[in-house]
Amino acid sequence: DAGVTQSPTHLIKTRGQQVTLRCSPKSGHDTVSWYQQALGQGPQFIFQYYEEEERQRGNFPDRFSGHQFPNYSSELNVNALLLGDSALYLCASSLRRGTDTQYFGPGTRLTVL
Amino acid sequence: GESVGLHLPTLSVQEGDNSIINCAYSNSASDYFIWYKQESGKGPQFIIDIRSNMDKRQGQRVTVLLNKTVKHLSLQIAATQPGDSAVYFCAENSYGGFKTIFGAGTRLFVKA
Repeated sequence: DAGVTQSPTHLIKTRGQQVTLRCSPKSGHDTVSWYQQALGQGPQFIFQYYEEEERQRGNFPDRFSGHQFPNYSSELNVNALLLGDSALYLCASSLRRGTDTQYFGPGTRLTVL
Repeated sequence: GESVGLHLPTLSVQEGDNSIINCAYSNSASDYFIWYKQESGKGPQFIIDIRSNMDKRQGQRVTVLLNKTVKHLSLQIAATQPGDSAVYFCAENSYGGFKTIFGAGTRLFVKA
């Protein structure tokens, strides 16, 4: 049973560029949440997707957007990258909108130069 | 892999001793609490959870205690092993279960 997978593992971009990160949830899970983890800090909630809709959003600007596909996989898009967007981006999947246990992927390390 | 939690509070214990990691949560409306373990270069790994209608829950070598009066959560690890070395985060679930809020984390060092 595959766990949560994310791609790519590492990514280097320059300021102003756009990036797309991908996540495949754990088998049987229908909910995907995205988190940003800066070095030395705990993960910060970006948003959650359930039934292909954004259910709740954390304190992140509109430059951060997402999508969930019918097979429950998800993408995180970040536009107009800033240096401060450099972080580990984590995807977590769960069943039923996050009220059940969330399982995290290994993350994508984004570096913005 | 990259380091997680370079400037976090640190707890250093001897192998075989018991560890206690403490956490203060912020939202009195939170009703679900989780402990995660994060090793360098990896995503957080679920350890144990507890709902607000309980004050104690035990797993394999781990126990979580919840004190809602003072909004305090603790994780006890029995017979700590070198493989337990990691950063530990407490997390609370708010707003109907959509948003999980993580604490700052504690780095656990286990000395062999």
